[in-house]
Amino acid sequence: KNEVEQSPQNLTAQEGEFITINCSYSVGISALHWLQQHPGGGIVSLFMLSSGKKKHGRLIATINIQEKHSSLHITASHPRDSAVYICAAPYNNNDMRFGAGTRLTVKP
Amino acid sequence: EAGVAQSPRYKIIEKRQSVAFWCNPISGHATLYWYQQILGQGPKLLIQFQNNGVVDDSQLPKDRFSAERLKGVDSTLKIQPAKLEDSAVYLCASSLGQGLMETQYFGPGTRLLVL
Repeated sequence: KNEVEQSPQNLTAQEGEFITINCSYSVGISALHWLQQHPGGGIVSLFMLSSGKKKHGRLIATINIQEKHSSLHITASHPRDSAVYICAAPYNNNDMRFGAGTRLTVKP
Repeated sequence: EAGVAQSPRYKIIEKRQSVAFWCNPISGHATLYWYQQILGQGPKLLIQFQNNGVVDDSQLPKDRFSAERLKGVDSTLKIQPAKLEDSAVYLCASSLGQGLMETQYFGPGTRLLVL
């Protein structure tokens, strides 16, 4: 069993739809990262959160430390949001474990 | 501000050959990471440097992989000899400080294909 599990693996949506990507982890952490990986490999850090909720534009990330669960939401999705979204959880002081990613395709 | 630079962007080699990747982190970033991302999987940390010292290399296959960060700036990752299963994207990232509360900035990656 992976220490960081994401769902769904693949997600196709119509432009404008509300998107939710989930991340569950089995290791105790103090923070969780959400990353966006575009075709071609470039990775951008979206959020780093240790409690509650963070919002940046149309992106919202929430975390429940007790339940070891985090969600990434995209409101009013757009084709340019198409990418792989990866959550990453600190494993110990120096290591981070990554989920396999959720491939999002937003169709116009 | 310039981002993390990596070269080459692509490399194709035959198994048992050697290959080296180069990374130039964001200026002033003390921590540098090398990740291996196999197709369809999330990145896996290979090695983490704090300045020119190794913080964690527990997942680095040391029989064939080596990495160094001389002078605490640029870093090279070497594979010798390469195996078919080494085909992956090798990502370099850097962060200002150490610790997992730091935002990591990723380079574009080097895509390696071992034939």
